Amino acid sequence: NAGVTQTPKFQVLKTGQSMTLQCAQDMNHEYMSWYRQDPGMGLRLIHYSVGAGITDQGEVPNGYNVSRSTTEDFPLRLLSAAPSQTSVYFCASSYSGGPGYGYTFGSGTRLTVV
Amino acid sequence: DAKTTQPNSMESNEEEPVHLPCNHSTISGTDYIHWYRQLPSQGPEYVIHGLTSNVNNRMASLAIAEDRKSSTLILHRATLRDAAVYYCILREQGGSEKLVFGKGTKLTVNP
Repeated sequence: NAGVTQTPKFQVLKTGQSMTLQCAQDMNHEYMSWYRQDPGMGLRLIHYSVGAGITDQGEVPNGYNVSRSTTEDFPLRLLSAAPSQTSVYFCASSYSGGPGYGYTFGSGTRLTVV
Repeated sequence: DAKTTQPNSMESNEEEPVHLPCNHSTISGTDYIHWYRQLPSQGPEYVIHGLTSNVNNRMASLAIAEDRKSSTLILHRATLRDAAVYYCILREQGGSEKLVFGKGTKLTVNP
């Protein structure tokens, strides 16, 4: 069981470039989500999905797109990278988004936009 | 989301028990209490959760006060690997799926 796998682990982008952060889980979890973590600010929810074909915005969705074509994969796309998007990004999954279940997090992607 | 209050930091010695407190005086009857931890340079890790009764798993125990206004995460024998930031989070039944991480408690484990 690999759990939640995020790639790449590190990435440097130039302002204006686009890229996709990959997230895959092998636990057959319905719920998947993306968070970003900035120093002193805790984790903030970007986008989430309650199942294949269903996505919704979190609290900081601007500049990011997501899609969920399969249960296993939930990629996060940066459309035009900005220095404000320099952060550590975590993908998380859960059997259900409900409060009776814990979340499994990936090890993160550290993104620097110059 | 109901608010939780945790000490900023705590210190423990290796192989001793650690009791990490969390106050949540505005908790509602359907809020679950979750604990996560984040080791340096890693993603958050689920530790344990409960609703009303005390809970045990291989990682820790969760003791919930009878009035549910506070809870305590218990690490029975701290190891150096337990040094992390511990977050106490309330999850509302029927509420948002998002996890609201506060500042947590930074646990230092001394050899």
